[in-house]
Amino acid sequence: NAGVTQTPKFQVLKTGQSMTLQCAQDMNHNSMYWYRQDPGMGLRLIYYSASEGTTDKGEVPNGYNVSRLNKREFSLRLESAAPSQTSVYFCASTGAGLGGDTQYFGPGTRLTVL
Amino acid sequence: EDKVVQSPLSLVVHEGDTVTLNCSYEVTNFRSLLWYKQEKKAPTFLFMLTSSGIEKKSGRLSSILDKKELFSILNITATQTGDSAIYLCALTQGGYSTLTFGKGTMLLVSP
Repeated sequence: NAGVTQTPKFQVLKTGQSMTLQCAQDMNHNSMYWYRQDPGMGLRLIYYSASEGTTDKGEVPNGYNVSRLNKREFSLRLESAAPSQTSVYFCASTGAGLGGDTQYFGPGTRLTVL
Repeated sequence: EDKVVQSPLSLVVHEGDTVTLNCSYEVTNFRSLLWYKQEKKAPTFLFMLTSSGIEKKSGRLSSILDKKELFSILNITATQTGDSAIYLCALTQGGYSTLTFGKGTMLLVSP
């Protein structure tokens, strides 16, 4: 039981390049989330998927797209990377019910855009 | 404006001290408040609080919620260097599954 996994762990991009961050969970959770974390800013929600087949914008969606590929996988795409997207990206998932408020996080992807 | 405000933003204590971290909030349709610990990697879950006045406890860590005054505290007694981390407070509202995080408190426990 690996929990939430993310790939890659590190990535360096040039401005204008594109890339996709991958996330998968093996806990049979319905909901999945993408956050970014910047120094002194806490965690900010980019996009989330409350259930398979649905996605919604979070607090900071501009410059990103997401795909809920199936119940296990939720990917985040940067179409044209900008230096402002340099950050640590976390994927998380949660199950159903009141106990489902507890989100479980992946190990993160550290992205640098030059 | 910020919905979840944590204080202090950072503090340094000596091993063995007791610390109290604060989280205040201002939201509608409050459902639950969660505390996470973040060391070098991903946040790990500590507590979830939904009812006022009921203390949650795990070893040297404890937390309580006051829904009337809209805040929660996280206490750590007999601190150890391994308690050094960022402590994050987050909450859920209404029927939504999303978490709204505070900026976190960075705790450094010196030997």
